[in-house]
Amino acid sequence: GENVEQHPSTLSVQEGDSAVIKCTYSDSASNYFPWYKQELGKGPQLIIDIRSNVGEKKDQRIAVTLNKTAKHFSLHITETQPEDSAVYFCAAGLSGGSYIPTFGRGTSLIVHP
Amino acid sequence: DTAVSQTPKYLVTQMGNDKSIKCEQNLGHDTMYWYKQDSKKFLKIMFSYNNKELIINETVPNRFSPKSPDKAHLNLHINSLELGDSAVYFCASSPAGFGGTNYGYTFGSGTRLTVV
Repeated sequence: GENVEQHPSTLSVQEGDSAVIKCTYSDSASNYFPWYKQELGKGPQLIIDIRSNVGEKKDQRIAVTLNKTAKHFSLHITETQPEDSAVYFCAAGLSGGSYIPTFGRGTSLIVHP
Repeated sequence: DTAVSQTPKYLVTQMGNDKSIKCEQNLGHDTMYWYKQDSKKFLKIMFSYNNKELIINETVPNRFSPKSPDKAHLNLHINSLELGDSAVYFCASSPAGFGGTNYGYTFGSGTRLTVV
Protein backbone atom coordinates (compact mmCIF):
# COMPACT_ATOMS: atom_id res chain seq x y z
CA GLY A 1 0.00 0.00 0.00
CA GLU A 2 0.86 3.67 -0.13
CA ASN A 3 3.12 5.24 2.48
CA VAL A 4 3.31 9.03 2.87
CA GLU A 5 6.02 10.78 4.87
CA GLN A 6 5.57 14.46 5.76
CA HIS A 7 8.19 16.90 7.07
CA PRO A 8 8.66 18.87 9.17
CA SER A 9 6.21 18.02 11.94
CA THR A 10 6.43 21.59 13.24
CA LEU A 11 7.36 24.75 11.37
CA SER A 12 7.70 28.16 12.96
CA VAL A 13 8.12 31.28 10.78
CA GLN A 14 7.85 35.04 11.07
CA GLU A 15 5.00 36.83 9.37
CA GLY A 16 5.96 37.62 5.79
CA ASP A 17 8.38 34.71 5.46
CA SER A 18 7.82 31.74 3.17
CA ALA A 19 6.98 28.25 4.43
CA VAL A 20 7.63 24.94 2.69
CA ILE A 21 6.21 21.57 3.69
CA LYS A 22 7.46 18.43 1.97
CA CYS A 23 5.92 15.01 1.42
CA THR A 24 7.20 11.81 -0.15
CA TYR A 25 5.12 8.88 -1.32
CA SER A 26 5.95 5.30 -2.12
CA ASP A 27 3.41 4.08 -4.69
CA SER A 28 4.29 5.24 -8.20
CA ALA A 29 0.68 4.56 -9.25
CA SER A 30 -0.63 7.42 -7.08
CA ASN A 31 -1.87 10.24 -9.29
CA TYR A 32 -3.80 12.66 -7.08
CA PHE A 33 -2.15 14.77 -4.36
CA PRO A 34 -4.33 17.09 -2.25
CA TRP A 35 -3.32 19.37 0.61
CA TYR A 36 -5.60 20.12 3.56
CA LYS A 37 -5.50 22.86 6.20
CA GLN A 38 -6.95 22.13 9.63
CA GLU A 39 -7.58 25.08 11.92
CA LEU A 40 -8.07 24.56 15.63
CA GLY A 41 -11.40 22.91 16.40
CA LYS A 42 -12.34 22.46 12.76
CA GLY A 43 -12.24 19.75 10.14
CA PRO A 44 -9.51 19.66 7.48
CA GLN A 45 -10.24 21.84 4.47
CA LEU A 46 -8.96 21.20 0.95
CA ILE A 47 -6.76 24.13 -0.08
CA ILE A 48 -5.05 22.93 -3.24
CA ASP A 49 -4.49 19.73 -5.17
CA ILE A 50 -2.35 18.52 -8.04
CA ARG A 51 -2.56 15.63 -10.44
CA SER A 52 0.33 13.60 -11.74
CA ASN A 53 0.16 15.10 -15.23
CA VAL A 54 1.04 18.55 -13.83
CA GLY A 55 4.33 19.66 -12.27
CA GLU A 56 3.19 22.81 -10.50
CA LYS A 57 -0.01 24.56 -9.54
CA LYS A 58 -0.48 27.96 -7.97
CA ASP A 59 -3.37 29.69 -6.22
CA GLN A 60 -2.55 33.16 -4.92
CA ARG A 61 -0.04 32.72 -2.06
CA ILE A 62 0.01 28.93 -2.13
CA ALA A 63 1.62 26.64 -4.65
CA VAL A 64 2.23 22.93 -4.93
CA THR A 65 5.02 21.24 -6.86
CA LEU A 66 5.24 17.59 -7.83
CA ASN A 67 8.28 15.55 -8.81
CA LYS A 68 6.99 12.19 -10.04
CA THR A 69 10.43 10.75 -10.62
CA ALA A 70 11.54 11.39 -7.07
CA LYS A 71 8.02 10.74 -5.72
CA HIS A 72 7.80 13.89 -3.69
CA PHE A 73 5.55 16.93 -3.61
CA SER A 74 5.69 20.16 -1.66
CA LEU A 75 3.43 22.95 -0.45
CA HIS A 76 4.79 26.48 -0.66
CA ILE A 77 3.18 29.39 1.18
CA THR A 78 4.55 32.85 0.46
CA GLU A 79 4.11 36.04 2.51
CA THR A 80 2.78 34.08 5.46
CA GLN A 81 0.18 35.66 7.71
CA PRO A 82 -0.90 34.73 11.27
CA GLU A 83 -4.13 33.26 9.87
CA ASP A 84 -2.03 30.70 7.99
CA SER A 85 -1.27 29.11 11.37
CA ALA A 86 -2.82 25.63 11.28
CA VAL A 87 -2.01 21.95 10.78
CA TYR A 88 -1.40 21.06 7.14
CA PHE A 89 -1.84 17.54 5.76
CA CYS A 90 -0.65 16.15 2.46
CA ALA A 91 -2.22 13.05 0.93
CA ALA A 92 -1.55 10.72 -1.97
CA GLY A 93 -3.64 8.13 -3.73
CA LEU A 94 -4.88 6.60 -6.95
CA SER A 95 -8.01 8.25 -8.29
CA GLY A 96 -10.80 5.84 -9.10
CA GLY A 97 -13.97 4.23 -7.87
CA SER A 98 -12.61 3.27 -4.48
CA TYR A 99 -10.35 6.27 -3.95
CA ILE A 100 -8.94 6.33 -0.43
CA PRO A 101 -5.90 8.59 0.01
CA THR A 102 -3.11 8.00 2.47
CA PHE A 103 -2.53 11.06 4.64
CA GLY A 104 0.75 12.37 5.96
CA ARG A 105 1.03 12.88 9.70
CA GLY A 106 0.60 16.64 9.49
CA THR A 107 2.72 19.76 9.91
CA SER A 108 1.88 22.32 12.56
CA LEU A 109 2.65 25.73 11.03
CA ILE A 110 3.01 28.64 13.43
CA VAL A 111 3.27 32.14 11.98
CA HIS A 112 4.51 34.71 14.50
CA PRO A 113 3.26 38.28 14.02
CA ASP B 1 -25.16 26.36 3.23
CA THR B 2 -23.71 23.43 1.36
CA ALA B 3 -21.75 21.38 3.81
CA VAL B 4 -21.06 18.19 5.68
CA SER B 5 -22.85 18.38 9.03
CA GLN B 6 -22.16 16.04 11.92
CA THR B 7 -23.73 15.91 15.34
CA PRO B 8 -23.04 16.09 18.16
CA LYS B 9 -19.90 18.25 18.27
CA TYR B 10 -18.96 16.98 21.73
CA LEU B 11 -19.83 13.67 23.31
CA VAL B 12 -18.81 12.67 26.84
CA THR B 13 -19.90 9.24 27.98
CA GLN B 14 -19.02 6.43 30.32
CA MET B 15 -17.28 3.20 29.43
CA GLY B 16 -19.63 0.50 28.28
CA ASN B 17 -22.25 2.85 26.87
CA ASP B 18 -23.53 2.81 23.27
CA LYS B 19 -23.54 6.04 21.29
CA SER B 20 -24.19 7.28 17.75
CA ILE B 21 -22.77 10.10 15.65
CA LYS B 22 -24.80 11.39 12.75
CA CYS B 23 -23.54 12.80 9.47
CA GLU B 24 -25.33 14.43 6.57
CA GLN B 25 -24.06 16.05 3.38
CA ASN B 26 -26.02 18.22 0.98
CA LEU B 27 -23.31 18.39 -1.67
CA GLY B 28 -24.73 15.62 -3.82
CA HIS B 29 -21.52 13.60 -3.36
CA ASP B 30 -21.51 9.88 -4.06
CA THR B 31 -18.99 8.81 -1.45
CA MET B 32 -18.89 9.31 2.32
CA TYR B 33 -16.27 8.38 4.88
CA TRP B 34 -15.56 8.14 8.58
CA TYR B 35 -12.10 9.05 9.86
CA LYS B 36 -10.64 8.85 13.37
CA GLN B 37 -8.12 11.52 14.41
CA ASP B 38 -6.02 10.62 17.43
CA SER B 39 -4.31 12.95 19.89
CA LYS B 40 -1.30 13.23 17.56
CA LYS B 41 -3.56 14.43 14.73
CA PHE B 42 -3.15 11.28 12.64
CA LEU B 43 -6.13 10.75 10.30
CA LYS B 44 -7.09 7.09 10.01
CA ILE B 45 -9.76 5.87 7.59
CA MET B 46 -12.43 3.73 9.21
CA PHE B 47 -15.16 3.29 6.60
CA SER B 48 -16.06 4.39 3.11
CA TYR B 49 -19.49 4.19 1.51
CA ASN B 50 -20.34 4.78 -2.14
CA ASN B 51 -24.03 5.26 -2.88
CA LYS B 52 -25.05 3.53 0.35
CA GLU B 53 -22.76 0.56 -0.26
CA LEU B 54 -19.79 -0.25 1.93
CA ILE B 55 -16.56 0.09 -0.06
CA ILE B 56 -13.85 0.14 2.57
CA ASN B 57 -13.94 -1.30 6.06
CA GLU B 58 -10.54 -0.90 7.60
CA THR B 59 -9.44 -2.84 10.63
CA VAL B 60 -11.67 -1.38 13.29
CA PRO B 61 -13.34 -3.26 16.13
CA ASN B 62 -16.75 -4.63 15.19
CA ARG B 63 -18.17 -2.49 18.00
CA PHE B 64 -18.16 0.23 15.34
CA SER B 65 -20.97 -0.08 12.83
CA PRO B 66 -21.70 2.42 10.06
CA LYS B 67 -25.17 2.84 8.65
CA SER B 68 -26.11 4.63 5.45
CA PRO B 69 -29.88 5.01 4.99
CA ASP B 70 -29.31 7.02 1.79
CA LYS B 71 -26.36 8.49 -0.04
CA ALA B 72 -26.63 11.79 1.87
CA HIS B 73 -26.32 10.22 5.31
CA LEU B 74 -23.69 8.08 7.00
CA ASN B 75 -24.09 7.48 10.71
CA LEU B 76 -21.64 5.80 13.06
CA HIS B 77 -22.82 3.66 15.94
CA ILE B 78 -20.41 2.55 18.63
CA ASN B 79 -21.22 -0.20 21.12
CA SER B 80 -19.60 -0.85 24.48
CA LEU B 81 -17.40 2.24 24.42
CA GLU B 82 -13.83 1.92 25.71
CA LEU B 83 -11.34 4.50 26.95
CA GLY B 84 -9.25 4.02 23.79
CA ASP B 85 -12.16 5.14 21.64
CA SER B 86 -11.62 8.71 22.84
CA ALA B 87 -10.69 10.74 19.75
CA VAL B 88 -12.12 13.17 17.24
CA TYR B 89 -14.25 11.50 14.58
CA PHE B 90 -14.66 13.18 11.21
CA CYS B 91 -17.22 12.50 8.57
CA ALA B 92 -16.27 13.46 5.02
CA SER B 93 -17.72 13.29 1.55
CA SER B 94 -16.28 13.33 -1.94
CA PRO B 95 -17.58 13.25 -5.46
CA ALA B 96 -15.05 10.45 -6.01
CA GLY B 97 -16.65 7.41 -7.40
CA PHE B 98 -17.23 5.61 -10.59
CA GLY B 99 -16.65 8.02 -13.41
CA GLY B 100 -15.81 10.94 -11.14
CA THR B 101 -12.86 13.22 -11.75
CA ASN B 102 -12.81 15.32 -8.58
CA TYR B 103 -11.53 13.56 -5.50
CA GLY B 104 -11.16 16.31 -2.92
CA TYR B 105 -12.79 15.68 0.43
CA THR B 106 -15.17 17.96 2.28
CA PHE B 107 -14.89 17.25 5.99
CA GLY B 108 -17.39 17.86 8.73
CA SER B 109 -16.33 19.85 11.78
CA GLY B 110 -15.74 16.74 13.86
CA THR B 111 -17.15 15.05 16.96
CA ARG B 112 -14.89 15.01 19.99
CA LEU B 113 -15.67 11.79 21.84
CA THR B 114 -14.44 11.45 25.41
CA VAL B 115 -14.95 8.16 27.19
CA VAL B 116 -14.58 8.31 30.98
